[in-house]
Amino acid sequence: DAKTTQPNSMESNEEEPVHLPCNHSTISGTDYIHWYRQLPSQGPEYVIHGLTSNVNNRMASLAIAEDRKSSTLILHRATLRDAAVYYCILRVSGLSGAQKLVFGQGTRLTINP
Amino acid sequence: EAQVTQNPRYLITVTGKKLTVTCSQNMNHEYMSWYRQDPGLGLRQIYYSMNVEVTDKGDVPEGYKVSRKEKRNFPLILESPSPNQTSLYFCASSFRTGVTTDTQYFGPGTRLTVL
Repeated sequence: DAKTTQPNSMESNEEEPVHLPCNHSTISGTDYIHWYRQLPSQGPEYVIHGLTSNVNNRMASLAIAEDRKSSTLILHRATLRDAAVYYCILRVSGLSGAQKLVFGQGTRLTINP
Repeated sequence: EAQVTQNPRYLITVTGKKLTVTCSQNMNHEYMSWYRQDPGLGLRQIYYSMNVEVTDKGDVPEGYKVSRKEKRNFPLILESPSPNQTSLYFCASSFRTGVTTDTQYFGPGTRLTVL
């Protein structure tokens, strides 16, 4: 399984932008970069995904380095509700049925009021 | 509302007493999966199902069984639970099998304690 590396924890203030980094130096050309987050006492939820180009949705933005060896999840204005563990996951194509998400330890994001 | 539901949400049982954790989704999803989450080990896949009557082992299948008789349901069965199966369990589903861009939707979790 392709590996990702994330900081164990990060802290930010409410209403400020947050940049969550992820390194994936062994990524292959067809691996998608997915981000999920897990709020306290809840199941993981999808945040965003991308392949090569930067992506935006209502929750966040995903900036992918040109060499694809790293990416950054950007929360533009963090709220207290964004406090969660954020997981950066590589989704490997070509494995019929094996759509498991390989969760690392993730980054625990704390938001200060 | 589109969702994945699990029952029960909390369960305390004793070693050897068979139990079933139910999982149901109302989104007509093809792919369903079970994960367990343990401190320091993260989430690991137990079993998955690509469609009705098609199931396969994930990374940690020992001690578990599953079945997929209907598209919407994917129960997790512990025939003889042991204390090392004390964990937080999540069911997940996604629309299509084999499509890595499909979002996976997770249930709220079942916290199981085996004494």
